[in-house]
Amino acid sequence: DAEITQSPRHKITETGRQVTLACHQTWNHNNMFWYRQDLGHGLRLIHYSYGVHDTNKGEVSDGYSVSRSNTEDLPLTLESAASSQTSVYFCASSYDRSNTEAFFGQGTRLTVV
Amino acid sequence: QKEVEQNSGPLSVPEGAIASLNCTYSDRVSQSFFWYRQYSGKSPELIMSIYSNGDKEDGRFTAQLNKASQYVSLLIRDSQPSDSATYLCAVNGNNFNKFYFGSGTKLNVKP
Repeated sequence: DAEITQSPRHKITETGRQVTLACHQTWNHNNMFWYRQDLGHGLRLIHYSYGVHDTNKGEVSDGYSVSRSNTEDLPLTLESAASSQTSVYFCASSYDRSNTEAFFGQGTRLTVV
Repeated sequence: QKEVEQNSGPLSVPEGAIASLNCTYSDRVSQSFFWYRQYSGKSPELIMSIYSNGDKEDGRFTAQLNKASQYVSLLIRDSQPSDSATYLCAVNGNNFNKFYFGSGTKLNVKP
């Protein structure tokens, strides 16, 4: 079955370290998204991609970067982790057409100490 | 102004009652609308999608869309304790390749 997987599921890192969260989907979706979820804020869009070599900033992109070298993967990098980036991160993907939903990975809980 | 607004709740209903969840959105040209359910510590899962004005029913769930009022709702009939979760409203905007989410409404169904 097609799926979307994130790794690691849990990560503890120190302030200032570079961290990369992985996202891999097997649906062959062109669209991929990274969200963070914090209490009271719902899901906020960090970065998104509409295809290979395409990346775009979302509403909370400062301190994060992504790259898209193939259809299946969209890794999220925190250049220099900050305590404000402690959150649950969700990767999602969708077809690039109307009337289609987003499918979510299991999430990564990141703690920056 | 947020793209998608929801009452954060919690909304408490007794088992067997109808739960009514509401959502408003700001982009008048939005095309697609979704309700996701999220259990604590889990990822969001799609329960309903609706694309045209009116009602759409699926089992105990009914989604209602009113584009003129920019309003989407979800009704859960015969609510069960297993329905206790946070419900997220999502809108696919004018550019249908981007999803905007509300902050979610927490539903508690009491046995």
